[in-house]
Amino acid sequence: NAGVTQTPKFRILKIGQSMTLQCTQDMNHNYMYWYRQDPGMGLKLIYYSVGAGITDKGEVPNGYNVSRSTTEDFPLRLELAAPSQTSVYFCASSYGVGRTETQYFGPGTRLLVL
Amino acid sequence: DAKTTQPTSMDCAEGRAANLPCNHSTISGNEYVYWYRQIHSQGPQYIIHGLKNNETNEMASLIITEDRKSSTLILPHATLRDTAVYYCIVRVDFDTGTASKLTFGTGTRLQVTL
Repeated sequence: NAGVTQTPKFRILKIGQSMTLQCTQDMNHNYMYWYRQDPGMGLKLIYYSVGAGITDKGEVPNGYNVSRSTTEDFPLRLELAAPSQTSVYFCASSYGVGRTETQYFGPGTRLLVL
Repeated sequence: DAKTTQPTSMDCAEGRAANLPCNHSTISGNEYVYWYRQIHSQGPQYIIHGLKNNETNEMASLIITEDRKSSTLILPHATLRDTAVYYCIVRVDFDTGTASKLTFGTGTRLQVTL
């Protein structure tokens, strides 16, 4: 199993540009998550999904959109990039079988908005 | 949400036990304590979790006090590869379904030295 994969690894965007961060998992997990991590800080939840076709907002959803058309994929869309979105983005997934579930994280996408 | 408090940083000599404390005095009776770590800029990695009993796995041991207001993660024989930021997290359920929200603080930066 490759686990959770993310592309690209690094991207530079200009203000106002848009892009999609890709996330794929091959563990047949029901739940998937997007986090962002600013320098020196902990991770903050952006969006999550409990299954195909179901998504919901996390702690910091403004400026982002997500979709979940398949179990495997959970892309994160930035429509109008802003400098405040400069961060490292992590995708995660979990089985979602109750209170003892653990999350598996991808390697991250480093985004710089100039 | 239950908050956690961890020391900002700790040092440990290689081969010695690393004991990382965490305070979670407002934890609810049905909330689990989870530990993750983040090596350099990689995605967080699950270590261990527990409710009220002590737990041990191949990576670490988790000691939870009887009143559950604090816990200690123990790496029995720390190596240089254990240098990382360690996050103590109290797992909070979402309002719907059973998907979990992991609230990451700033963690403890453990430096293992020769």
